[in-house]
Amino acid sequence: NAGVTQTPKFRILKIGQSMTLQCTQDMNHNYMYWYRQDPGMGLKLIYYSVGAGITDKGEVPNGYNVSRSTTEDFPLRLELAAPSQTSVYFCASIRGSRNSPLHFGNGTRLTVT
Amino acid sequence: DAKTTQPPSMDCAEGRAANLPCNHSTISGNEYVYWYRQIHSQGPQYIIHGLKNNETNEMASLIITEDRKSSTLILPHATLRDTAVYYCIVRVYAGGTSYGKLTFGQGTILTVHP
Repeated sequence: NAGVTQTPKFRILKIGQSMTLQCTQDMNHNYMYWYRQDPGMGLKLIYYSVGAGITDKGEVPNGYNVSRSTTEDFPLRLELAAPSQTSVYFCASIRGSRNSPLHFGNGTRLTVT
Repeated sequence: DAKTTQPPSMDCAEGRAANLPCNHSTISGNEYVYWYRQIHSQGPQYIIHGLKNNETNEMASLIITEDRKSSTLILPHATLRDTAVYYCIVRVYAGGTSYGKLTFGQGTILTVHP
């Protein structure tokens, strides 16, 4: 049971490039989330999904897209990378009950130059 | 979700108890108190949560005041590996998509000294 797995761990992009941050979980959780964390700050919600085929925007969705074709996978797409997207990205999942905690991956550190 | 207030930083000697406070004076009856921590460069790690009763698990204890307006996370015997940012989060149980919508503030930086 690996939990939430994110790849890659690190990436450097040039302005205008695109990439996909991968996230997969093996806990059969319906709910999945993407957060970003800027240096010295708390986490901000980008997008989330309540199940395969269903996604919705969080607090800071601009510049990102997501898809959820399976329960396990929730990739985050950056189409035109900008320096403001330099951040650490965390994927998380939750079983979806009153007391269940959120499980986080170990993040992808992205630098856009 | 209710706003929380935590001290920006705290120190603790190794082997001693670390007591991390959190104020959540606007908490409502259906809101849980959650604690997470983030060790440098890693994803946040769940520690413990509670509604109104005190809770204990293998990592920590959570003490919630009777009026629920504040709480304290206790690490009974802090080690150097407990050095991390600790987040106190109040989360309403509203079902559906609210489950994972946690509002992370800036937390408390706990430094455990040898």
